[in-house]
Amino acid sequence: TQLLEQSPQFLSIQEGENLTVYCNSSSVFSSLQWYRQEPGEGPVLLVTVVTGGEVKKLKRLTFQFGDARKDSSLHITAAQPGDTGLYLCAETRGSRLTFGEGTQLTVNP
Amino acid sequence: ETGVTQSPTHLIKTRGQQVTLRCSSQSGHNTVSWYQQALGQGPQFIFQYYREEENGRGNFPPRFSGLQFPNYSSELNVNALELDDSALYLCASSPFLAGAQETQYFGPGTRLLVL
Repeated sequence: TQLLEQSPQFLSIQEGENLTVYCNSSSVFSSLQWYRQEPGEGPVLLVTVVTGGEVKKLKRLTFQFGDARKDSSLHITAAQPGDTGLYLCAETRGSRLTFGEGTQLTVNP
Repeated sequence: ETGVTQSPTHLIKTRGQQVTLRCSSQSGHNTVSWYQQALGQGPQFIFQYYREEENGRGNFPPRFSGLQFPNYSSELNVNALELDDSALYLCASSPFLAGAQETQYFGPGTRLLVL
């Protein structure tokens, strides 16, 4: 069973700061998704990365997939309080998602 | 278009009891997956249903069972509840058999507390 490690586990920053969170695995990802989950809601898909070295941007969010497809990062520029939430990475393999434990991000105004 | 809905939103049970959680998939979606999310952890895959048949199961004991109905709605049943079953139960639907890049749309979850 593939284990996904996310770091840091918790992150509390001030509005306007930049941050990066990480997702790592001991084996190669088939493809990787990033989700954000807010309290009282289910996870919402942000992006899917498939190709090693791939970079995708979603407004102030930049997602990178490692060349070896064993790691990924999410960088947020000029964080806003609305970015607060649990950021989860998940490997997609066939019909199921395998999630990491998440990074709980709090952006203080 | 209606999103994924789940009921009830919250539930309290005692050890040994049985519980049924319900999920209505998004319109046009015929695949439903169930996940358990313990506090402070990521969701864990329980099982998936496609066209009323179980299609894949995670590392959960047989007392976790499910059903999918002809309208693609689904139930998750848990027998002989244990304290560790306390968690947020998430349902996710997708338009057809979920491949590596299919998007799963999650409901808001049912928060189960076992006392």
